[in-house]
Amino acid sequence: DAGVIQSPRHEVTEMGQEVTLRCKPISGHNSLFWYRQTMMRGLELLIYFNNNVPIDDSGMPEDRFSAKMPNASFSTLKIQPSEPRDSAVYFCASSLSGGAFFGQGTRLTVV
Amino acid sequence: QQQVKQSPQSLIVQKGGISIINCAYENTAFDYFPWYQQFPGKGPALLIAIRPDVSEKKEGRFTISFNKSAKQFSLHIMDSQPGDSATYFCAAGSSNTGKLIFGQGTTLQVKP
Repeated sequence: DAGVIQSPRHEVTEMGQEVTLRCKPISGHNSLFWYRQTMMRGLELLIYFNNNVPIDDSGMPEDRFSAKMPNASFSTLKIQPSEPRDSAVYFCASSLSGGAFFGQGTRLTVV
Repeated sequence: QQQVKQSPQSLIVQKGGISIINCAYENTAFDYFPWYQQFPGKGPALLIAIRPDVSEKKEGRFTISFNKSAKQFSLHIMDSQPGDSATYFCAAGSSNTGKLIFGQGTTLQVKP
C-alpha cells in the first residue's frame, strides 16, 4: 500500500497566484481530510469529505480556499489568490474508520 | 467545546526514562482518541488509539491511559529512546468519520 500521496511536496509561489494541491487517498478509504499545519495554530482541519461529498468545510479560512473531490481516488485544495499568510504545510489524510492516515504534506511558501 | 488541550509543550527525558504527555477534551460526544507521532519533514503517523470503553491500552512501550469522567487521557512512553525524539499530538474525534481535533503538540527530546 503506497499510503496517501500528495503533490507537489514543495511549492513556492508569488502572492496573487493560484495554487493547487493534490491528494490521492488510500484505496478503499471513504473519508478524506485536508489539514493545515503552522507553528502558531498547530494542525487545523480545513475540510473533510465522506464518500466524495464535502461534509464539513467550517475550517476553510475564507472564500479564497476551495476543495473538490471528483472521485474516490483524487482530491484538490485550491487557493486563489494566494497570500503570504497562507504559507504552511498542508496535509491530506484518509480514513476508513477510526484513525486517519496522513500524507507527507505539501510545504507552501507564498512570497 | 471542540478544543483539545495538550501539555507539556516540550519535554526532555533521559534515555530509559518514562515520558508522559497529557491531554484534556471537552466534547463528550468524542469516541476516539488517537496519538500521533511526527518527525521533521514528515506527516503525522498514527501511533496508538483508544476508545472510551476501556481505561488503558498498551502497545509495546506505548500506553494510553483514559479517564472518561475527567475527560482526560495521557500517553506514557516507557524506556524512552533517542529514536522516540519527535513531536507527539493527541487528538479526539469520531470513530465513524475519522474527523479529529488535534492538541497543540509536545516536542519530546530523549537524551542519550
